[in-house]
Amino acid sequence: DVQMTQSPSSLSASVGDRVTITCRASQDISNYLAWYQQNPGKVPRLLIDVASTLQPGVPSRFSGSAFGTVFILTISSLQPEDVATYYCQKYDRAPLTFGGGTKVEIK
Amino acid sequence: QVQLMQSGAEVRKPGASVKVSCRASGYIFDTFDINWVRQATGQGLEFMGYMKPDSGESGSAQKFQGRLTMTRDTSTNTAYMDLSSLSFDDTAVYFCARKRFGEGMDVWGQGTTVTVSS
Repeated sequence: DVQMTQSPSSLSASVGDRVTITCRASQDISNYLAWYQQNPGKVPRLLIDVASTLQPGVPSRFSGSAFGTVFILTISSLQPEDVATYYCQKYDRAPLTFGGGTKVEIK
Repeated sequence: QVQLMQSGAEVRKPGASVKVSCRASGYIFDTFDINWVRQATGQGLEFMGYMKPDSGESGSAQKFQGRLTMTRDTSTNTAYMDLSSLSFDDTAVYFCARKRFGEGMDVWGQGTTVTVSS
């Protein structure tokens, strides 16, 4: 099965900082990669799929990019409401494996 | 509006089974797969399996094969997840989520807490 390695596992940044989260697939998954945001005690929310397609209603400070088997989620200017755990997920074929998650906090 | 409504919290003893339901509304049930994802307290998201409501075809992650059964009732637009031979490690929140080909899981149920306790 394809493994999804997400880094870092946690980060702390200041409001307004640019934040990047990386997800590496162990094999080619084309661009079948999604990013989710999960606030504590809440349901995951789809932010981006097809590696870079922003979902309706998601702020434009979120963006996704792909470089072969490496995928990056960028928050261009961190806001207090972005405090959450972020997960990548590959969905080219089952199993639809998630990365381990990145907990984002405000410094 | 588009919604997935899950059944309520369950408590089971080790070795028992649990069945969680996920009722879809606001869209054509057959047009999206239903996926099951679980999350233990303080842990990450874990994919369990998927089911295609139009055909009933399903597939589960290897660790659940043999004890995970996913079914549906198209007359009520409801998907079911049945997990057997429960152990303490199965204590988690279980989510259903819809997904169609080429896209991520865009609508999620509210989650069902399953507690395995002796």
